Amino acid sequence: QKEVEQDPGPLSVPEGAIVSLNCTYSNSAFQYFMWYRQYSRKGPELLMYTYSSGNKEDGRFTAQVDKSSKYISLFIRDSQPSDSATYLCAIKIQGAQKLVFGQGTRLTINP
Amino acid sequence: DAGVTQSPTHLIKTRGQQVTLRCSPKSGHDTVSWYQQALGQGPQFIFQYYEEEERQRGNFPDRFSGHQFPNYSSELNVNALLLGDSALYLCASSQRGYRSNQPQHFGDGTRLSIL
Repeated sequence: QKEVEQDPGPLSVPEGAIVSLNCTYSNSAFQYFMWYRQYSRKGPELLMYTYSSGNKEDGRFTAQVDKSSKYISLFIRDSQPSDSATYLCAIKIQGAQKLVFGQGTRLTINP
Repeated sequence: DAGVTQSPTHLIKTRGQQVTLRCSPKSGHDTVSWYQQALGQGPQFIFQYYEEEERQRGNFPDRFSGHQFPNYSSELNVNALLLGDSALYLCASSQRGYRSNQPQHFGDGTRLSIL
């Protein structure tokens, strides 16, 4: 079993839609949760970084963590064509830098 | 403020050769991690350097080695290249050492192709 599971998609939605991206993880020792966005031929760009369970909002992006279910989500409101990219969830334990990534979900926003 | 920079951007090698990839961390960052990203997959952790020492290592063979310099820049070396080493190699940097919980920022990577 992989430490982090993420549906690879691809996911295609119309412009303006609300997008939901999800990951599950197996080890309760993971305490820090991140979402990265990766455009083609580019490196991952940090979008959200959370520690506690609950919601964290930044503009059109909301990260949600449910530690009891070992489930994390990223919501994108009012999606734009420029949001078309691969979205990677990443998790880590406290006091260690090693990030464990999901496979990534390829998202396309259609004008 | 320069972000994480990596060189070269693209490299083509043949099986059995050796390669060196380079990384300059973001200004103010002292910790460097290296990741391998195969096509269609998430990045896999190779190892991390802090204070010029390897601090943590992922499940990669000894053919993968590294170095960190006093100015915090880093190199990744891969010996005896295999076809399966073809991937995007990403460098990430962060602040306050290898035990910190500071977020990691990535460069755009070096795309290594093995023929």
